[in-house]
Amino acid sequence: NAGVTQTPKFQVLKTGQSMTLQCAQDMNHNSMYWYRQDPGMGLRLIYYSASEGTTDKGEVPNGYNVSRLNKREFSLRLESAAPSQTSVYFCASSVNRGEQAFFGQGTRLTVV
Amino acid sequence: GESVGLHLPTLSVQEGDNSIINCAYSNSASDYFIWYKQESGKGPQFIIDIRSNMDKRQGQRVTVLLNKTVKHLSLQIAATQPGDSAVYFCAENMWSGGSYIPTFGRGTSLIVHP
Repeated sequence: NAGVTQTPKFQVLKTGQSMTLQCAQDMNHNSMYWYRQDPGMGLRLIYYSASEGTTDKGEVPNGYNVSRLNKREFSLRLESAAPSQTSVYFCASSVNRGEQAFFGQGTRLTVV
Repeated sequence: GESVGLHLPTLSVQEGDNSIINCAYSNSASDYFIWYKQESGKGPQFIIDIRSNMDKRQGQRVTVLLNKTVKHLSLQIAATQPGDSAVYFCAENMWSGGSYIPTFGRGTSLIVHP
């Protein structure tokens, strides 16, 4: 039972490049989330998917898009990376929105 | 919007001591709270939760206290061990539109000295 799996673990991008962060959970959870974590700060919600087929903006959605591909997978896309998007990104899932969340190991993204 | 905050960003304790990590919230509509532990290089892990109809909940070596009157939450760790060194986050949840909306605080770094 892997829980929440994120890929890649590390990534360096040049300004303007695009990339997709992948996330998959094997716990049959309905809700999935993408957070970013910056030094000295808590987790800030980028986007979430309360259930398969739905996505909604969180606190800091600008510059990102998401896709809930199926119940297991929730991807985060940066269309044109900017240095301000340098951060650690966490994917999480929960049975239902707001309940106990299970987090992936994170993706450390650097935009130069 | 209202936010969750922590009184102390860093807490240093000696191994074997009891640790208390505090969290203040300002949204009186929040009715479900979760504590997470984040070790270096890892994602947050659930520790314990509490609903607003309770004022205390105990787990293994951890106790969460909720004081709704002053909108204060605390996590108590008994007999703190070096493995407890981590950043601890409280998350408040407000019921809205048929589900909970989670908001994380900034976190407190707990350093346990052997």
